[in-house]
Amino acid sequence: DGGITQSPKYLFRKEGQNVTLSCEQNLNHDAMYWYRQDPGQGLRLIYYSQIVNDFQKGDIAEGYSVSREKKESFPLTVTSAQKNPTAFYLCASSTGLADYNEQFFGPGTRLTVL
Amino acid sequence: GQNIDQPTEMTATEGAIVQINCTYQTSGFNGLFWYQQHAGEAPTFLSYNVLDGLEEKGRFSSFLSRSKGYSYLLLKELQMKDSASYLCAVRDYSGNTPLVFGKGTRLSVIA
Repeated sequence: DGGITQSPKYLFRKEGQNVTLSCEQNLNHDAMYWYRQDPGQGLRLIYYSQIVNDFQKGDIAEGYSVSREKKESFPLTVTSAQKNPTAFYLCASSTGLADYNEQFFGPGTRLTVL
Repeated sequence: GQNIDQPTEMTATEGAIVQINCTYQTSGFNGLFWYQQHAGEAPTFLSYNVLDGLEEKGRFSSFLSRSKGYSYLLLKELQMKDSASYLCAVRDYSGNTPLVFGKGTRLSVIA
């Protein structure tokens, strides 16, 4: 079964700790994305990557970091510099950045920082 | 700048038809997507419009007018399972974000 997996579904961390959210896809997609969703808000892009070993900042990259060492994997680290990290995090992938390429989303990770 | 507006909430009756509007002001435009998102779940793709007009796909249709910066999603024969948020998103390469999402419209289908 092809798809995108994110783990864990729920994650709790203490303030001041870095935490890494995993995202894996077996769709052979080139592009991968990380979004943040807050209650009553739209999806906001944190980072995206078009190819391995390359990524670009989205609108809200501050306090986050990513890596893209393998095509299948695009982990997101939420650092202690992120002032309000509690949110629902969604990973997505697409075949590329062409106009018509829809994004496929993973099930999300709900991060709560205590 | 980039701005996408949708109504925050809508309520409709099972079996009825509902239209969810989306207006956008973006620096660039390379297509408009609609996604469905059930509470706590991932968004799933519904439709893509890049040319003016209506695209029909089963009970769901999506319309685009580029000159007016306007789109709508039409849901027919509403079912309880259609209760979800509907996200409008515009493809715009001019900024940091290749796909800009609106805040979504939460649709409640009642009996």
